[in-house]
Amino acid sequence: QVQLVQSGAEVKKPGASVKVSCKASGYTFIDYYIHWVRQAPGQGLEWMGWINPNTGATNYAQKFQGTVTMTRDTSINTFYMELSRLRSDDTAVYYCARDKDRYCGGDCPFDYWGQGTLVTVSS
Amino acid sequence: EIVLTQSPGTLSLSPGERATLSCRASQSGSSNYLAWYQQKPGQAPRLLIYGASRRATGIPDRFSGSGSGTDFTLTISRLEPEDFAVYYCQQYGSPPWTFGQGTKVEIK
Repeated sequence: QVQLVQSGAEVKKPGASVKVSCKASGYTFIDYYIHWVRQAPGQGLEWMGWINPNTGATNYAQKFQGTVTMTRDTSINTFYMELSRLRSDDTAVYYCARDKDRYCGGDCPFDYWGQGTLVTVSS
Repeated sequence: EIVLTQSPGTLSLSPGERATLSCRASQSGSSNYLAWYQQKPGQAPRLLIYGASRRATGIPDRFSGSGSGTDFTLTISRLEPEDFAVYYCQQYGSPPWTFGQGTKVEIK
């Protein structure tokens, strides 16, 4: 069965960086784009960007250009999202989520989600 | 960027009642690339509807989606106890993908 398993909660100081991982299993890793979505406490969902697992190409929301880096390691079927220059308003649960269809190129809804990783930014 | 506005913010209903949730887009996106998700506390969102009206795998037929252009609706025909949750619409046709602010369906 398809699973996306994320790394554990993190506490960081303002100005630091955080790297969240998302390990995929149960499907062909390179066939489905992965998106990252975040949710601040008590708030709605915010799309951050996607990564093409085959080529490593990325597409980031303009808001996160310059602070987010999405990568993948095909040898261990794992995706990463690194957010730098953290601020208190980056405190959120970060989710990885998969395109619903193969070869969708990011233009798909998200059918499988990781369990979420809480990142807390506090001095 | 396409802004999605959901209404109402909160819907107070009893089990067995019909729920009608609205999602309005600030502009018409690519085709009907509109999805609905359900989210319960402490859980990741769950895909219910995509392509405005197609039910995702395993979703009960009491959930239905309709609409086109800029106006979309999620209908839950008869609320079951497990349906009380927050619902989000999402457009995935015009980057950046965006979500509505959510509608909470609570027990009256």
